[in-house]
Amino acid sequence: DAGITQSPRHKVTETGTPVTLRCHQTENHRYMYWYRQDPGHGLRLIHYSYGVKDTDKGEVSDGYSVSRSKTEDFLLTLESATSSQTSVYFCAISERIVVRAYEQYFGPGTRLTVT
Amino acid sequence: EDQVTQSPEALRLQEGESSSLNCSYTVSGLRGLFWYRQDPGKGPEFLFTLYSAGEEKEKERLKATLTKKESFLHITAPKPEDSATYLCAVQAPNAGGTSYGKLTFGQGTILTVHP
Repeated sequence: DAGITQSPRHKVTETGTPVTLRCHQTENHRYMYWYRQDPGHGLRLIHYSYGVKDTDKGEVSDGYSVSRSKTEDFLLTLESATSSQTSVYFCAISERIVVRAYEQYFGPGTRLTVT
Repeated sequence: EDQVTQSPEALRLQEGESSSLNCSYTVSGLRGLFWYRQDPGKGPEFLFTLYSAGEEKEKERLKATLTKKESFLHITAPKPEDSATYLCAVQAPNAGGTSYGKLTFGQGTILTVHP
């Protein structure tokens, strides 16, 4: 299994509070991603990183920010949590195997409930 | 916009009853098509990458194939332990010609294999 851990694994928080989720990898992979998974929507990309301090938005980035100060850590922050951000969050890592494609490996997920 | 549609949404099989899952896609400049398996409460587990039409890959009872418009995941003589959600995803370059590995996922097929 790819060396990816996510913390916390479960969290319940109140609307309006800030929340930070952490993804830690031991594979030294360059690329890291945050996805959310919701019934009826599947997995959707929130933000991704293509190197230390290099990040960009995915398709559902509103209300989220990210930071990557070290290769091994990628943080996802909900500045002011809303009930619509209740979801399961997955981190993924990738290293370009061939010129064309990047195989991604996923962490175990964080289940976040915003009340 | 990249689109991925998986069918059927759910499939129930008897042990030993072979079948196929479908993944139809619309993308400009496919870099790769990926199949994942996801068990309840866990992160997606990487199965296969397919890069070009005509390519096939096998792993135990699973075989993935790719055409220019769709991919099939064939399951031969399934066992109850093959029960899971199977996810298909595509990777394509963004407008700037890079992709950094961003994936667009289908909503998955829930496979249940009864003994």
